[in-house]
Amino acid sequence: DAGVIQSPRHEVTEMGQEVTLRCKPISGHNSLFWYRQTMMRGLELLIYFNNNVPIDDSGMPEDRFSAKMPNASFSTLKIQPSEPRDSAVYFCASSLAGAGSGELFFGEGSRLTVL
Amino acid sequence: DAKTTQPPSMDCAEGRAANLPCNHSTISGNEYVYWYRQIHSQGPQYIIHGLKNNETNEMASLIITEDRKSSTLILPHATLRDTAVYYCIVRVAVGFQKLVFGTGTRLLVSP
Repeated sequence: DAGVIQSPRHEVTEMGQEVTLRCKPISGHNSLFWYRQTMMRGLELLIYFNNNVPIDDSGMPEDRFSAKMPNASFSTLKIQPSEPRDSAVYFCASSLAGAGSGELFFGEGSRLTVL
Repeated sequence: DAKTTQPPSMDCAEGRAANLPCNHSTISGNEYVYWYRQIHSQGPQYIIHGLKNNETNEMASLIITEDRKSSTLILPHATLRDTAVYYCIVRVAVGFQKLVFGTGTRLLVSP
């Protein structure tokens, strides 16, 4: 089975540009999470969805960040405009909430560099 | 979610058991103990979880104290590939719950 698929794997952009990160969760999973990881702040939960509905976006840094989940098989995290301090690895994870261990499966991450 | 405390780093010799401690003194009765690990440049990976009984799977064993205020993750025969950051997290397992990572323990397995 395919795991969580993220794209792009690497993105280099200039300050002020719009960045869109994409995630395809594991088929059948009903929860999706976006995390950001930096050396200074570690792994931070940005937002998570259940059944395509955003449940908690308290981790989203500011209005420049937005996330959508238009259907069960796709989610985007958008940064507009991007700033150098947004440079990080962004992970997407999915899980089947309400069943089993609630284990989260992570993608390989999208490494973002904003110059 | 209850907070956890882990040592920032540990060393282990290859082939020996690695015992990673975690304190979670404010854990609630319905919160589980989860362990994840993150190998360099990869996404975190689930290892094991438990409520109050000891658990074992193909990756590790989890020992939870009777008062549930602490636990130990045991890698019985550590290999170089077990070098990673190990995160201990407590959360409610049922329903739609988020997973909040702390700083973890950086385990270095040496030859």
